[in-house]
Amino acid sequence: GENVEQHPSTLSVQEGDSAVIKCTYSDSASNYFPWYKQELGKGPQLIIDIRSNVGEKKDQRIAVTLNKTAKHFSLHITETQPEDSAVYFCAASPPKGNKLVFGAGTILRVKS
Amino acid sequence: DTEVTQTPKHLVMGMTNKKSLKCEQHMGHRAMYWYKQKAKKPPELMFVYSYEKLSINESVPSRFSPECPNSSLLNLHLHALQPEDSALYLCASSQGHSFTGELFFGEGSRLTVL
Repeated sequence: GENVEQHPSTLSVQEGDSAVIKCTYSDSASNYFPWYKQELGKGPQLIIDIRSNVGEKKDQRIAVTLNKTAKHFSLHITETQPEDSAVYFCAASPPKGNKLVFGAGTILRVKS
Repeated sequence: DTEVTQTPKHLVMGMTNKKSLKCEQHMGHRAMYWYKQKAKKPPELMFVYSYEKLSINESVPSRFSPECPNSSLLNLHLHALQPEDSALYLCASSQGHSFTGELFFGEGSRLTVL
């Protein structure tokens, strides 16, 4: 079955710097890759997603890149702000699969 | 309305108690989910309901019993739980059941089993 690895497990950046979180997946047939942000005391919230027919997607300060050949995808956050501090989960969805496979999560701390 | 509402937010129960967690959404979504999340871990899928019918049970122990009374409501009935069942229980919904679209999560019910 699909396996998703996520790195780093924790990331501290200075406010205004960029943050990059990387994930690799094992099933080359996976075709949907969402990123969820979970703030303390809240449920996960989708922040951006990408499908396998696209190499990059951007939404304001957030971007995701997908390399199908290498089977990895990355989240890029530019001009980080304290409110970006949260746990970020990547995930992959195999076709005809019956679940979304999450990475282990990255704790992002933005220091002001 | 893009909210998934879960009650109660916190629940403490003994191992012999029977309690229920409730989830409600009014987005017209036809798929609803229960996830379990331990501290510092990703959510783990427990159950999926599609069009009010149970479509996925991830080999969850029978002490957890899901129920979908209608397309807007999802319950999780709890009985004879163990201390290791203490966790955050998240409800989610989505337009379709294919895991290729956005999941809308509630804020969760934090369960402590004594």
